[in-house]
Amino acid sequence: DSGVTQTPKHLITATGQRVTLRCSPRSGDLSVYWYQQSLDQGLQFLIQYYNGEERAKGNILERFSAQQFPDLHSELNLSSLELGDSALYFCASSVGLAGGVRYNEQFFGPGTRLTVL
Amino acid sequence: AQTVTQSQPEMSVQEAETVTLSCTYDTSESNYYLFWYKQPPSRQMILVIRQEAYKQQNATENRFSVNFQKAAKSFSLKISDSQLGDTAMYFCAFDRLNTGNQFYFGTGTSLTVIP
Repeated sequence: DSGVTQTPKHLITATGQRVTLRCSPRSGDLSVYWYQQSLDQGLQFLIQYYNGEERAKGNILERFSAQQFPDLHSELNLSSLELGDSALYFCASSVGLAGGVRYNEQFFGPGTRLTVL
Repeated sequence: AQTVTQSQPEMSVQEAETVTLSCTYDTSESNYYLFWYKQPPSRQMILVIRQEAYKQQNATENRFSVNFQKAAKSFSLKISDSQLGDTAMYFCAFDRLNTGNQFYFGTGTSLTVIP
């Protein structure tokens, strides 16, 4: 157990709909990352937040958005869903900088499997 | 742009034997981190080992060790005494220590340990 939680575990929805995926990082971790893993593919970085601020953006579609709240949990919003959005969505967290030392291992949650029908 | 290449889509190894998974990367950075993650059938991403580019000594974690060749931009993972529980997808990841530290992942190597 990495200490990162994601809800829900599974989500089945229809094309055109909107869903929200939730992530709670490990206690003390300030950075949250979102990744998409399509079937039999590697992980594609979507977006990173650090202590509430967007820090880095990858290949995230305009239909997708994310935010990190004051309690450091994060939500990934996916709208106008298409069949191709079906994937496993991972959240990861890391400490970032602590005491001047960089701790950058990313610890992954169990993922949310999204199926768009 | 950073790229990570895993040229072995699938590999197999007999239980108790040793296997090496390859990873190469392309970067102009001088300092960075490299990781190997394991993804078993449960789909959980599990950190196996990390290597800091400024350290010449190869990292080891129990049965897992790396061969880090900075000049060749190569970062292979050696699994000794393979166990059935090692059956998984293995992903190589690169962190170039920019403002954010997004990881660049390879496409993975599917390893099967044969009893």
